Amino acid sequence: GESVGLHLPTLSVQEGDNSIINCAYSNSASDYFIWYKQESGKGPQFIIDIRSNMDKRQGQRVTVLLNKTVKHLSLQIAATQPGDSAVYFCAEKYSNTGKLIFGQGTTLQVKP
Amino acid sequence: EPEVTQTPSHQVTQMGQEVILRCVPISNHLYFYWYRQILGQKVEFLVSFYNNEISEKSEIFDDQFSVERPDGSNFTLKIRSTKLEDSAMYFCASRARANYGYTFGSGTRLTVV
Repeated sequence: GESVGLHLPTLSVQEGDNSIINCAYSNSASDYFIWYKQESGKGPQFIIDIRSNMDKRQGQRVTVLLNKTVKHLSLQIAATQPGDSAVYFCAEKYSNTGKLIFGQGTTLQVKP
Repeated sequence: EPEVTQTPSHQVTQMGQEVILRCVPISNHLYFYWYRQILGQKVEFLVSFYNNEISEKSEIFDDQFSVERPDGSNFTLKIRSTKLEDSAMYFCASRARANYGYTFGSGTRLTVV
């Protein structure tokens, strides 16, 4: 069946450290992947995306890595800050209609 | 920055009542979506809408659900006879083109009592 899953439900890091959040996806035909941040009571907020013809993409303090061989996606956050505390979801574009399949979510806790 | 706007932010309704959740997508976007998130769970796809018709729907989106884009700006989700298990956050999303990113609204929290 279709599924996008996350390896760790909660990640606790010290402020200033780097964070790595992982995700496994199941559909090898998915061509577009997105990381979202969700703060309490708010909608998913776009962080960074990557297309299947790339294996790495960098943004401001964030990097997404895509390994299509093992169907694995990761989000790296450099110099994690308290404002980064949130739930992080990966999502894959699953069909031509643009349907997104979301993972379970990882809670990132940043300790001051 | 353009936003997807959803109203109301919170709706409480009695079981069996009809509810309409409203969304105003970004004005030049062509693809529209509804997702829901039951408390503590992942975001789930409900329906996609393009060119004034449903392009895909999930198993969740049964006959109790319908969507409309009545006036070219609003995009609504109607639940005809709400059940307790419909309690969730409902998110609207839109995107401009097929290869463009998605913008999500802040959601409507639906509580069915």
